[in-house]
Amino acid sequence: DAGITQSPRHKVTETGTPVTLRCHQTENHRYMYWYRQDPGHGLRLIHYSYGVKDTDKGEVSDGYSVSRSKTEDFLLTLESATSSQTSVYFCAISEELRGREYGYTFGSGTRLTVV
Amino acid sequence: SQQGEEDPQALSIQEGENATMNCSYKTSINNLQWYRQNSGRGLVHLILIRSNEREKHSGRLRVTLDTSKKSSSLLITASRAADTASYFCATAPQGAQKLVFGQGTRLTINP
Repeated sequence: DAGITQSPRHKVTETGTPVTLRCHQTENHRYMYWYRQDPGHGLRLIHYSYGVKDTDKGEVSDGYSVSRSKTEDFLLTLESATSSQTSVYFCAISEELRGREYGYTFGSGTRLTVV
Repeated sequence: SQQGEEDPQALSIQEGENATMNCSYKTSINNLQWYRQNSGRGLVHLILIRSNEREKHSGRLRVTLDTSKKSSSLLITASRAADTASYFCATAPQGAQKLVFGQGTRLTINP
């Protein structure tokens, strides 16, 4: 998708290891989001950011931390990965559609498997 | 818990038929949006309807919104095989700069 990339695309890691996922945008958007997608749960918000060093928790933030030291990068860290964190992770940016309304543009996702 | 719930969870129809998906939500919203997700890909924005609008069209898509019932529907007319995907509704709660997604409807168009 235009202007937003996630890395890595796939990762297998062992339980207890730290993992960092990266989201990079090229269009200077203020708002960035991390969601996880699991069967039967749809997309659930983990954390989001509304500017450099400004972040807030979503509905499933336990076990995750984020950092945003530059406008273009939003990092998601699993401090000690668990099997329950096996999921597909999506990053999104918020773009103004018209007036004060906004919609999301999503990255292609990171498939994380914790074994 | 999820703001939006979608119905049905899965829908299979013949090419050329119309597909209707429904979404219900719980709180007051600024707008409601629909997204499509092809297998293995990120979600793509389809259409947005404001809380003061009742119906909106975009190509073969028709969205309705009933704020009194806190529900919305997405109609895809004259379906094509390329419409096979999962469709998600997302609500923008008042006062929040974040979307809340439903669980999605998996649509299969059979040739």
